[in-house]
Amino acid sequence: QLHLQESGPGLVKPSETLSLTCTFSGDSISSHTYSWSWIRQPPGRGLEWIGNVSDTGSPFYNPSLKSRITMSLDTAKNQFSLNLSSVTAADTAVYYCVRQNSAWFDPWGQGTLVAVSS
Amino acid sequence: QSALTQPASVSGSPGQSVTISCTGTSGDVGTYNFVSWYQQHPGKVPKLVLFDVSNRPSGVFNRFSGSKSGNTASLTISGLQGEDEADYFCSSYTRGGTLVFGGGTKLTVL
Repeated sequence: QLHLQESGPGLVKPSETLSLTCTFSGDSISSHTYSWSWIRQPPGRGLEWIGNVSDTGSPFYNPSLKSRITMSLDTAKNQFSLNLSSVTAADTAVYYCVRQNSAWFDPWGQGTLVAVSS
Repeated sequence: QSALTQPASVSGSPGQSVTISCTGTSGDVGTYNFVSWYQQHPGKVPKLVLFDVSNRPSGVFNRFSGSKSGNTASLTISGLQGEDEADYFCSSYTRGGTLVFGGGTKLTVL
Protein backbone atom coordinates (compact mmCIF):
# COMPACT_ATOMS: atom_id res chain seq x y z
CA GLN A 1 0.00 0.00 0.00
CA LEU A 2 1.36 3.38 -1.00
CA HIS A 3 1.78 5.90 1.78
CA LEU A 4 3.19 9.41 2.12
CA GLN A 5 3.97 11.04 5.44
CA GLU A 6 4.96 14.66 6.03
CA SER A 7 7.25 15.63 8.89
CA GLY A 8 8.60 18.90 10.18
CA PRO A 9 7.97 21.72 12.64
CA GLY A 10 4.40 22.82 13.19
CA LEU A 11 5.45 26.37 14.08
CA VAL A 12 7.85 28.64 12.23
CA LYS A 13 8.77 32.23 13.07
CA PRO A 14 8.24 35.00 10.52
CA SER A 15 11.19 35.55 8.16
CA GLU A 16 12.57 32.07 8.90
CA THR A 17 12.61 29.00 6.65
CA LEU A 18 9.90 26.36 6.64
CA SER A 19 11.37 22.89 6.12
CA LEU A 20 9.33 19.77 5.51
CA THR A 21 10.19 16.23 4.54
CA CYS A 22 7.95 13.64 2.95
CA THR A 23 8.64 9.93 3.34
CA PHE A 24 7.20 7.61 0.71
CA SER A 25 6.60 3.93 1.47
CA GLY A 26 5.20 1.01 -0.48
CA ASP A 27 7.41 1.47 -3.53
CA SER A 28 10.67 3.10 -4.60
CA ILE A 29 10.43 6.84 -5.12
CA SER A 30 12.50 6.49 -8.29
CA SER A 31 11.04 3.31 -9.76
CA HIS A 32 8.60 5.05 -12.10
CA THR A 33 8.40 8.35 -13.93
CA TYR A 34 6.38 10.21 -11.34
CA SER A 35 6.92 13.68 -9.99
CA TRP A 36 6.67 14.48 -6.30
CA SER A 37 4.67 17.55 -5.42
CA TRP A 38 3.88 19.83 -2.52
CA ILE A 39 0.43 21.38 -2.26
CA ARG A 40 -0.79 23.67 0.49
CA GLN A 41 -4.17 24.75 1.80
CA PRO A 42 -4.58 27.77 4.09
CA PRO A 43 -7.21 27.19 6.77
CA GLY A 44 -10.70 27.36 5.26
CA ARG A 45 -9.38 28.08 1.79
CA GLY A 46 -8.47 26.38 -1.47
CA LEU A 47 -5.52 24.38 -2.73
CA GLU A 48 -2.30 25.82 -4.14
CA TRP A 49 0.32 23.82 -6.04
CA ILE A 50 3.73 24.80 -4.70
CA GLY A 51 5.92 22.80 -7.05
CA ASN A 52 7.39 19.40 -7.74
CA VAL A 53 10.59 17.46 -8.15
CA SER A 54 10.90 14.79 -10.81
CA ASP A 55 12.04 11.23 -10.32
CA THR A 56 15.48 12.36 -11.47
CA GLY A 57 15.54 15.23 -8.98
CA SER A 58 14.75 18.12 -11.32
CA PRO A 59 12.55 20.73 -9.62
CA PHE A 60 9.75 22.82 -11.11
CA TYR A 61 8.20 25.58 -9.06
CA ASN A 62 5.06 27.69 -8.95
CA PRO A 63 6.23 31.04 -10.38
CA SER A 64 4.49 32.92 -7.56
CA LEU A 65 6.70 31.18 -4.99
CA LYS A 66 9.75 30.38 -7.07
CA SER A 67 12.08 32.89 -5.44
CA ARG A 68 11.53 31.33 -2.01
CA ILE A 69 11.38 27.58 -2.74
CA THR A 70 13.88 24.79 -2.83
CA MET A 71 12.82 21.19 -3.39
CA SER A 72 14.95 18.09 -3.51
CA LEU A 73 14.74 14.32 -3.78
CA ASP A 74 16.65 11.77 -1.68
CA THR A 75 16.26 8.41 -3.38
CA ALA A 76 18.37 6.59 -0.80
CA LYS A 77 15.91 7.56 1.94
CA ASN A 78 12.82 7.44 -0.31
CA GLN A 79 12.11 11.04 0.67
CA PHE A 80 11.61 14.44 -0.86
CA SER A 81 11.72 17.81 0.82
CA LEU A 82 10.51 21.39 0.72
CA ASN A 83 12.21 24.53 1.97
CA LEU A 84 10.25 27.79 1.88
CA SER A 85 12.23 30.83 2.96
CA SER A 86 11.24 34.21 4.38
CA VAL A 87 7.86 32.99 5.58
CA THR A 88 5.03 35.26 6.65
CA ALA A 89 1.62 34.64 8.17
CA ALA A 90 0.32 34.15 4.63
CA ASP A 91 2.29 30.91 4.48
CA THR A 92 0.28 29.39 7.33
CA ALA A 93 -1.39 26.35 5.81
CA VAL A 94 -1.78 22.59 5.79
CA TYR A 95 1.05 21.31 3.62
CA TYR A 96 0.47 18.08 1.69
CA CYS A 97 3.05 15.95 -0.06
CA VAL A 98 1.61 14.15 -3.06
CA ARG A 99 2.64 11.86 -5.86
CA GLN A 100 2.03 13.53 -9.21
CA ASN A 101 1.22 11.20 -12.11
CA SER A 102 1.20 13.24 -15.31
CA ALA A 103 -1.12 16.08 -14.23
CA TRP A 104 -3.03 14.49 -11.37
CA PHE A 105 -2.30 13.92 -7.72
CA ASP A 106 -2.65 10.58 -5.99
CA PRO A 107 -2.01 9.46 -3.32
CA TRP A 108 -1.81 12.32 -0.80
CA GLY A 109 -0.10 12.50 2.52
CA GLN A 110 -2.27 13.22 5.55
CA GLY A 111 -1.08 16.81 5.61
CA THR A 112 0.72 18.80 8.26
CA LEU A 113 -0.35 22.17 9.61
CA VAL A 114 2.42 24.73 9.68
CA ALA A 115 1.70 27.98 11.48
CA VAL A 116 3.85 31.07 11.02
CA SER A 117 3.90 33.07 14.21
CA SER A 118 6.33 34.69 16.59
CA GLN B 1 -1.17 32.05 -13.01
CA SER B 2 -4.79 32.70 -12.07
CA ALA B 3 -6.91 30.17 -10.25
CA LEU B 4 -9.59 28.36 -12.20
CA THR B 5 -13.12 29.62 -11.57
CA GLN B 6 -15.64 27.42 -9.78
CA PRO B 7 -19.02 28.31 -8.26
CA ALA B 8 -18.75 28.78 -4.52
CA SER B 9 -21.60 26.40 -3.83
CA VAL B 10 -24.08 24.04 -5.44
CA SER B 11 -26.81 21.92 -3.96
CA GLY B 12 -29.11 19.08 -4.85
CA SER B 13 -31.51 16.59 -3.34
CA PRO B 14 -30.75 12.90 -2.89
CA GLY B 15 -31.10 11.06 -6.16
CA GLN B 16 -30.74 14.17 -8.29
CA SER B 17 -27.77 15.16 -10.45
CA VAL B 18 -25.56 18.19 -9.96
CA THR B 19 -22.89 19.69 -12.18
CA ILE B 20 -19.92 21.72 -11.02
CA SER B 21 -18.16 23.89 -13.57
CA CYS B 22 -14.49 24.81 -13.75
CA THR B 23 -13.58 27.66 -16.06
CA GLY B 24 -10.07 28.43 -17.16
CA THR B 25 -8.46 29.89 -20.25
CA SER B 26 -6.92 28.81 -23.52
CA GLY B 27 -3.68 28.53 -21.59
CA ASP B 28 -4.92 25.69 -19.44
CA VAL B 29 -8.35 23.99 -19.58
CA GLY B 30 -8.99 25.08 -23.16
CA THR B 31 -5.85 23.49 -24.57
CA TYR B 32 -5.04 20.50 -22.39
CA ASN B 33 -7.14 17.47 -21.50
CA PHE B 34 -5.34 17.38 -18.18
CA VAL B 35 -8.17 18.37 -15.87
CA SER B 36 -8.59 16.50 -12.61
CA TRP B 37 -11.13 16.72 -9.80
CA TYR B 38 -10.74 16.19 -6.05
CA GLN B 39 -13.29 15.57 -3.32
CA GLN B 40 -12.52 16.81 0.18
CA HIS B 41 -14.67 16.10 3.20
CA PRO B 42 -14.28 18.45 6.19
CA GLY B 43 -11.00 17.89 7.95
CA LYS B 44 -9.98 15.18 5.51
CA VAL B 45 -7.41 14.76 2.78
CA PRO B 46 -8.43 15.54 -0.81
CA LYS B 47 -9.29 12.46 -2.86
CA LEU B 48 -8.87 12.12 -6.62
CA VAL B 49 -12.23 11.39 -8.28
CA LEU B 50 -11.49 12.15 -11.96
CA PHE B 51 -8.35 12.63 -14.04
CA ASP B 52 -7.72 13.61 -17.65
CA VAL B 53 -11.17 15.24 -17.82
CA SER B 54 -13.30 12.11 -17.57
CA ASN B 55 -11.33 9.12 -16.30
CA ARG B 56 -12.25 7.57 -12.97
CA PRO B 57 -9.59 6.04 -10.72
CA SER B 58 -10.20 2.55 -9.45
CA GLY B 59 -12.72 2.60 -6.63
CA VAL B 60 -14.56 5.77 -7.64
CA PHE B 61 -18.24 5.23 -8.34
CA ASN B 62 -19.49 5.66 -11.90
CA ARG B 63 -21.89 8.26 -10.54
CA PHE B 64 -18.99 10.66 -11.05
CA SER B 65 -18.43 11.79 -14.63
CA GLY B 66 -16.55 14.57 -16.35
CA SER B 67 -16.57 16.53 -19.57
CA LYS B 68 -15.03 19.57 -21.17
CA SER B 69 -16.17 22.19 -23.64
CA GLY B 70 -13.91 25.03 -24.65
CA ASN B 71 -12.34 26.59 -21.59
CA THR B 72 -14.79 24.97 -19.15
CA ALA B 73 -14.60 21.52 -17.60
CA SER B 74 -17.47 20.01 -15.65
CA LEU B 75 -17.93 17.38 -12.96
CA THR B 76 -21.36 15.75 -12.82
CA ILE B 77 -22.49 13.68 -9.88
CA SER B 78 -25.60 11.64 -10.57
CA GLY B 79 -27.82 9.87 -8.06
CA LEU B 80 -26.70 12.22 -5.27
CA GLN B 81 -26.07 10.63 -1.89
CA GLY B 82 -25.45 12.18 1.47
CA GLU B 83 -21.84 11.04 1.41
CA ASP B 84 -21.25 13.20 -1.66
CA GLU B 85 -21.57 16.35 0.47
CA ALA B 86 -18.06 17.78 0.37
CA ASP B 87 -15.85 20.40 -1.22
CA TYR B 88 -14.77 19.76 -4.79
CA PHE B 89 -11.67 21.21 -6.45
CA CYS B 90 -10.66 21.11 -10.10
CA SER B 91 -7.09 21.30 -11.33
CA SER B 92 -5.51 21.80 -14.74
CA TYR B 93 -2.13 21.62 -16.37
CA THR B 94 -1.06 24.97 -17.80
CA ARG B 95 0.92 26.16 -20.80
CA GLY B 96 3.72 27.15 -18.47
CA GLY B 97 4.03 23.58 -17.26
CA THR B 98 2.55 24.35 -13.86
CA LEU B 99 -0.60 23.06 -12.19
CA VAL B 100 -3.42 25.35 -11.09
CA PHE B 101 -6.46 24.68 -8.91
CA GLY B 102 -9.94 26.11 -8.81
CA GLY B 103 -11.17 27.90 -5.72
CA GLY B 104 -13.38 25.00 -4.73
CA THR B 105 -17.13 24.34 -4.67
CA LYS B 106 -19.11 23.33 -1.62
CA LEU B 107 -21.70 20.69 -2.49
CA THR B 108 -24.67 20.50 -0.16
CA VAL B 109 -27.03 17.54 -0.30
CA LEU B 110 -30.41 18.86 0.80
